[in-house]
Amino acid sequence: QVQLVQSGAEVKTPGSSVKVSCKTSGYTFSSYLINWVRQAPGQGLEWMGGIIPFFGAPNYAQKFQGRVTLTTDESTRTVYMDLRNLRSEDTAVYFCARDHLPYDSAVKRGDAFDMWGQGTMVIVSS
Amino acid sequence: DIVMTQSPDSLAVSLGERATINCKSSQSVLDTSNKRNYLAWYQQKAGQPPKLLIYWASTRESGVPDRFSGSGSATDFTLAISSLQPEDVAVYYCQQYYTTPPYTFGQGTKLEIK
Repeated sequence: QVQLVQSGAEVKTPGSSVKVSCKTSGYTFSSYLINWVRQAPGQGLEWMGGIIPFFGAPNYAQKFQGRVTLTTDESTRTVYMDLRNLRSEDTAVYFCARDHLPYDSAVKRGDAFDMWGQGTMVIVSS
Repeated sequence: DIVMTQSPDSLAVSLGERATINCKSSQSVLDTSNKRNYLAWYQQKAGQPPKLLIYWASTRESGVPDRFSGSGSATDFTLAISSLQPEDVAVYYCQQYYTTPPYTFGQGTKLEIK
């Protein structure tokens, strides 16, 4: 079955970086876009960006441009989210989530997220 | 960015009764070329990731009980739970995926048992 398993919780200091992994299984890795969504404590959901493993081409929310990098490793079926210059406001649970349908370059719209990782808590504190 | 606004922020409904959550988008999420509304609903229980319930505004995800239904078009959408069960206590989010980046979510509606 489809699974997305994320790396464990992290505690970071302001100004540092964090790299969260999302290891996938149970489907054709290269065909589905993987998104990253974060949720601050007691708050709602915020989309950060997405990447299509087949192309390796990421798409970022403007809010995170310049601070976030998404990468993939096809050999291990893993997607990585690297967030730099951390501040206290980045304290959140970070989720990876798969698009519902395989990527189709002819489709110019997005997709719902049908499978989610368990979440990775990142705490930024001095 | 498209702003998604849900109402109410919280809701208490008796077991077996109907629950209704509304979601309004700041611009249409209807693609007139294929008549699809790019709107999803998610359920998030405490300590868990969100779970996809409804996509394209009204299509139930596989395995989701048929007491959950989605309706609406363009800018106004509704998630209804026909007969509330104890396991439906959660926070519910709408999300537009009409334009990217960014996808945007509503602020969430907390559903409790009265």
